[in-house]
Amino acid sequence: SAVISQKPSRDICQRGTSLTIQCQVDSQVTMMFWYRQQPGQSLTLIATANQGSEATYESGFVIDKFPISRPNLTFSTLTVSNMSPEDSSIYLCSVEELWTEDGYTFGSGTRLTVV
Amino acid sequence: GQNIDQPTEMTATEGAIVQINCTYQTSGFNGLFWYQQHAGEAPTFLSYNVLDGLEEKGRFSSFLSRSKGYSYLLLKELQMKDSASYLCAVRRNSGNTPLVFGKGTRLSVIA
Repeated sequence: SAVISQKPSRDICQRGTSLTIQCQVDSQVTMMFWYRQQPGQSLTLIATANQGSEATYESGFVIDKFPISRPNLTFSTLTVSNMSPEDSSIYLCSVEELWTEDGYTFGSGTRLTVV
Repeated sequence: GQNIDQPTEMTATEGAIVQINCTYQTSGFNGLFWYQQHAGEAPTFLSYNVLDGLEEKGRFSSFLSRSKGYSYLLLKELQMKDSASYLCAVRRNSGNTPLVFGKGTRLSVIA
């Protein structure tokens, strides 16, 4: 299975600031997916990141608020911009394991608290 | 839109069997996944169904009926460590497609 290193694992940020979350995969993957998991809730897809093109955002999420970079096939970043307390959540990246039975692998998550 | 429904919470007794149901209505279907998530941790893969029928993996089994838009996860010989959230997720298309998740079922295993 792919191994994903996600940083930071947690952070406490002031409102109005921005935080960039990084995911590094130990193998090349075409797509990376970014999710948000609000307290006590399930995972909501933010966007799909394809190397060399702009990310595709789901309804309710916009590039100005959640800019994504995908500079190569093993790395992606998600920035949470101009944060407010409503952005307090866990953010996870994920990749699809096309050649295994394991489905999708997730990063360990970034627990963000905005104060 | 995408609609994936599962019960919010369930409680079961150690050593018993529990069935967690999931119904889905999605624009496209290319497989249904079950994940386990302990509090504060990332989801971990449990099972995958793309054809109708039952898939068994040790204490865990998953069933799919595509015509009914229905799946269930069966956990046997429950252990305290099975207390977790169980997430039902649908892949809508083949290859390089994100999962769409249900709201998750929080299972509490009691002695």
